[in-house]
Amino acid sequence: AQSVTQLDSQVPVFEEAPVELRCNYSSSVSVYLFWYVQYPNQGLQLLLKYLSGSTLVKGINGFEAEFNKSQTSFHLRKPSVHISDTAEYFCAVSGRGAQKLVFGQGTRLTINP
Amino acid sequence: KAGVTQTPRYLIKTRGQQVTLSCSPISGHRSVSWYQQTPGQGLQFLFEYFSETQRNKGNFPGRFSGRQFSNSRSEMNVSTLELGDSALYLCASGTGANSYNEQFFGPGTRLTVL
Repeated sequence: AQSVTQLDSQVPVFEEAPVELRCNYSSSVSVYLFWYVQYPNQGLQLLLKYLSGSTLVKGINGFEAEFNKSQTSFHLRKPSVHISDTAEYFCAVSGRGAQKLVFGQGTRLTINP
Repeated sequence: KAGVTQTPRYLIKTRGQQVTLSCSPISGHRSVSWYQQTPGQGLQFLFEYFSETQRNKGNFPGRFSGRQFSNSRSEMNVSTLELGDSALYLCASGTGANSYNEQFFGPGTRLTVL
């Protein structure tokens, strides 16, 4: 079984500041890792994914994440945020070969002008 | 390609009633998964269908059921609705291949139970 912990339920930052959203996971098997974004009244959109290979993965909208196997973490970063990044962000894990996603509780990112 | 569509987008029901939600996956996708999203429990996996067969099931009571048709469209049904069933129900479609394949989410159906 897998589980995901997002360490911050809310993160306020100023526009153009850097941001890091933290995610830790637990699993007894190899996993795939994902970050999704949800804008108000919308479904989930995939930001980036880690399947294998390079531990630094780049996604859409300037986001990137680093897979750290020893710390079982997959933190999301962006060097400079924009007002349009205001949304809820979800970290997720799936077992290899499975379609089922296990999500963290989400982090609400608020950008202040 | 058209995205994942879910109907209806909003639904209001009363306790004890039943409800059916519909999901049309992206053309060519054979896997459909359903998730329930609530403020308290977050995003929870309900079930996944692939080629008309339920392939995986989450930890929900038997009141929650689903099916998939030969054209890959899927429906989920909730019987004897309870107040706690109020949630955003999200559907995701994918190719269903055994190796990783990206899942694409629909906009969801917001169910309110009064």
